[in-house]
Amino acid sequence: DVKVTQSSRYLVKRTGEKVFLECVQDMDHENMFWYRQDPGLGLRLIYFSYDVKMKEKGDIPEGYSVSREKKERFSLILESASTNQTSMYLCASSPPERVRGAFFGQGTRLTVV
Amino acid sequence: EDQVTQSPEALRLQEGESSSLNCSYTVSGLRGLFWYRQDPGKGPEFLFTLYSAGEEKEKERLKATLTKKESFLHITAPKPEDSATYLCAVQAAGSYQLTFGKGTKLSVIP
Repeated sequence: DVKVTQSSRYLVKRTGEKVFLECVQDMDHENMFWYRQDPGLGLRLIYFSYDVKMKEKGDIPEGYSVSREKKERFSLILESASTNQTSMYLCASSPPERVRGAFFGQGTRLTVV
Repeated sequence: EDQVTQSPEALRLQEGESSSLNCSYTVSGLRGLFWYRQDPGKGPEFLFTLYSAGEEKEKERLKATLTKKESFLHITAPKPEDSATYLCAVQAAGSYQLTFGKGTKLSVIP
């Protein structure tokens, strides 16, 4: 089975802190994604990457950056955390060929105080 | 712009009462339509991929179907453990990303 592992289930950070969310997948997938999920808004794409060192902005990239130095690891960085970034963050990965669906991690519930 | 609309937002069923969830979509060339199940506090779990109109997929009590404008997730004789939020997503031709609907929260009452 594909496994996508996010480094933390729950995080509490202070406003202005730099926050790193880590995601590792074990299936050699080329594509990796970061979403945030908020009540009433659904899942919204922040950034995605289709190859090492490649990244593309999603629908809501403001206030975030990403890093993909190795194929299996995709990091989401909140440069200066703000309270409106309190959310559930979900990482996903997928293979590039005829689509078989993206596989999600368990999520990180981030609270910024 | 790709759009996905799921209905109803919430659905309560008695155990054994079959029903369907709807996913309407607009996309510039469908590469795939996906159904996921999400339990509270967890990441979405992949259920099905549908590629073209007329296609059907089944898994236990769930059956997904696809037309050119919508997809249905049919739930036959549901059990309480089927309670979850069901998400629909589409991927457009030439795109890497998925566009998600807001989901249908299903509650199955014993």
